Amino acid sequence: DAEITQSPRHKITETGRQVTLACHQTWNHNNMFWYRQDLGHGLRLIHYSYGVQDTNKGEVSDGYSVSRSNTEDLPLTLESAASSQTSVYFCASSESRQVPYEQYFGPGTRLTVT
Amino acid sequence: GQNIDQPTEMTATEGAIVQINCTYQTSGFNGLFWYQQHAGEAPTFLSYNVLDGLEEKGRFSSFLSRSKGYSYLLLKELQMKDSASYLCAVRDDKIIFGKGTRLHILP
Repeated sequence: DAEITQSPRHKITETGRQVTLACHQTWNHNNMFWYRQDLGHGLRLIHYSYGVQDTNKGEVSDGYSVSRSNTEDLPLTLESAASSQTSVYFCASSESRQVPYEQYFGPGTRLTVT
Repeated sequence: GQNIDQPTEMTATEGAIVQINCTYQTSGFNGLFWYQQHAGEAPTFLSYNVLDGLEEKGRFSSFLSRSKGYSYLLLKELQMKDSASYLCAVRDDKIIFGKGTRLHILP
């Protein structure tokens, strides 16, 4: 069965370190998204991609970067981790050619920056 | 700017009906989604509205009024497993989520 996976599921890192969160989907979806979810803020869009070599900034992109070298993967990199980036991170993908274009979410990565 | 409002928390009784409202102001509109999210889990898709009116899917229905920037999710015959957060999301060129409504079901 097609799926979307994230790794690691839990990560503890120190302030200032570079961290990369992986996202892999096997649906062959063109669209992929990264969100963070914090209490009181809901899901906030970090970066998104509508295809290979395409990346776009979301509403909270500062301190994060993504690259899209193939259809299946959209890794999220925290260049220099900060305590404010402690959060639960969700990756999602969606089909671009068929309504309703709903997003399928990965299981999430809980990141703690100490 | 983009703004999506929904109540923070609601409580209802098992077997009853509950309506969760969502109002939005966005620069564009290409559809409205409702997602369900159980604690500690990922959101899952419930419904999609792009035209005005009611979409029914089993115990869940979703309504949209584009002129009023308003939607609601109606849950009938509530079950304990419906205890979850319900997220309203609007699509313009990307999908923006509201903060979610946490629904508590009492026996």
